[in-house]
Amino acid sequence: QITLKESGPTLVKPTQTLTLTCTFSGFSLSTTGVGVAWIRQPPGKALEWLALIYWDDDTRYNTSLRSRLTIAKDTSKNQVVLTMTNLAPVDTGTYYCAPRGVGPAGFGPWGQGTLVTVSS
Amino acid sequence: SYVLTQPPSVSVAPGEAAHITCGGDNIGRNSVRWYRQWPGQAPMLVLYDSGDRPSGIPERFSGSNSANTATLTISRVAAGDEADYYCQVFESSGDHVVFGGGTKLTVL
Repeated sequence: QITLKESGPTLVKPTQTLTLTCTFSGFSLSTTGVGVAWIRQPPGKALEWLALIYWDDDTRYNTSLRSRLTIAKDTSKNQVVLTMTNLAPVDTGTYYCAPRGVGPAGFGPWGQGTLVTVSS
Repeated sequence: SYVLTQPPSVSVAPGEAAHITCGGDNIGRNSVRWYRQWPGQAPMLVLYDSGDRPSGIPERFSGSNSANTATLTISRVAAGDEADYYCQVFESSGDHVVFGGGTKLTVL
């Protein structure tokens, strides 16, 4: 059974750096073709892809957020970490992680998500 | 960057068919995924490769993709189908992920 869980701070002050961890089980990020993505959703708004890391350390970033994001993996711990710098209130939302390449051609299953609020 | 356009809302009576569109430049050349998101829950894949269903998704869910429009069709809609639906592709130029703006399906 594949499961993912996001963890990190629930409240962050503007200009601070956010670090989120996705801890997963049921698959390995050392398997060819497998990747893990971070996707966020502001309250009441649409999904927005942030970043994606593959088994071979190849990374992809949302072009508009590229300068603020870093994605990394720790294969031995089954974790993927997303770092986002210089947070602002518009970054408030639920942050999800989801795998690619472990099932049907898409993202899934998704983690439950973690709500991050950016406020002073 | 590549843009996917969905209608904000679609309303349909129970038992009827719902058609949710996803527009994009030459999207017919791409493989489209569709996700369902019930309120307060994480999204879940309901269609991939433009029309294939993951295990557990009923045959009522089908898809098509041609030219500049992909369509998710839900036949015999029921109250439990009321949710937000998102289309998604991998942008061929850089393997970037693109989501549509989402469509809220309301069952009247």
